[in-house]
Formats: sequence, structure tokens, C-alpha cells
Amino acid sequence: EAGVAQSPRYKIIEKRQSVAFWCNPISGHATLYWYQQILGQGPKLLIQFQNNGVVDDSQLPKDRFSAERLKGVDSTLKIQPAKLEDSAVYLCASSQGPSSEQYFGPGTRLTVT
Amino acid sequence: AQSVTQPDIHITVSEGASLELRCNYSYGATPYLFWYVQSPGQGLQLLLKYFSGDTLVQGIKGFEAEFKRSQSSFNLRKPSVHWSDAAEYFCAVGGTGGGNKLTFGTGTQLKVEL
Repeated sequence: EAGVAQSPRYKIIEKRQSVAFWCNPISGHATLYWYQQILGQGPKLLIQFQNNGVVDDSQLPKDRFSAERLKGVDSTLKIQPAKLEDSAVYLCASSQGPSSEQYFGPGTRLTVT
Repeated sequence: AQSVTQPDIHITVSEGASLELRCNYSYGATPYLFWYVQSPGQGLQLLLKYFSGDTLVQGIKGFEAEFKRSQSSFNLRKPSVHWSDAAEYFCAVGGTGGGNKLTFGTGTQLKVEL
């Protein structure tokens, strides 16, 4: 069974630029999550999708972050414009349902200079 | 609000020695509890989980954890550590009351001395 795929693995941008991350969940997984992991901290949930609908985006900085999950499969997370404090690893996870085990991708390491 | 505390930021053990990583949680209902491991440049891998039932949970790679409701703890243990266990370990809490939203601790970095 293929795992959660993410790309790119690394990205370096300057502040005020925009960036997008892509996630392909495990086939058949209805629930998809985006987490932000700042160095030295645990992952923090940014947004949770159930199929193509948003379940929880309470911790998503909506003035600069956006996410979508068209057709209930792949998802993209965008930051526009980026700030220095957005430097982090962005993890995507998926599960069969909201009460099932979450499987994590390898993450995208973002550096904002 | 749900929260997790991992009081040890760094732990160093000798290979072959026993290991215990501490985790305390705060959750308003019956919690789901998890331990994840993260190696450098890798995503999070689930070691074990507690949903209900037996409070002593067995996981992969020889790890186990014990749920103690009275102490709000879910400590991770391994009787004999291998050098390959060096990684960062995260405790997390969630539950149906929160839509399975996971809240993670800040992690414990494990170093294994040969």
C-alpha cells in the first residue's frame, strides 16, 4: 500500500513570496489533515478535510494560508505572502475516517529567508 | 482544551538499557492516546495507540505504554533500547469529542549511547 505522498520535500523562498505544497493521501482515505511543525515543537493541526469539505480550520491563518481538496483526493496548501515565522515542516496526514489512525507523509521543509 | 506535556526534552540512555518517556495529558472526556516516532527527515510513524480496554498497550519495535487515568499519564517504555531507536518521540491526545483532532506534545529527543 502506497503511503502519503508530499511534494516538494524542500523549499526555500524569500519573505513575501508565495508557495504551494501538494499532498496525495492514501487511496480511499476520506479524511486529510495538514499540520505545521515548527522546529522544537510538536505538529499543530492547520486544517482537516472530510472528503472535499472543511471540518476544522480554526488554527489556519486565513489571511495568508489557504487549502483546498478538489474532488476529495489530492490537496494543496498555499501560503501567500510568506513570513519568516512560516519556516517549518508542513506535514500531510490521511485517515479512513475522522476517528481512525492517521498516516503521515514525509513532510515539506519550508525555509523563508 | 486538550493538551499534552512531555516534561523531558532530551533523554540519553545506553544501548541495552531500559527506557521510559513521560507523557501527561489534559482532555475533557475519554481520550485517545498515541505515541509517534520521527526520525530525521521523516514523517511521523505510529508506535502504538490507546482507545479503550486494556490499559497496557503493546506497539511496534518492542515498545509499550500504560494508560493511567488517575495520573493522566501515558508513559512509553521499552525494556532494552537499540541504537536505531534514537529519534524524536511525540505523545498525542485526541478523541471523538474533538473530531479526532490530535494535539501533540513538544517531543522528547532520544539519544542512544553505544
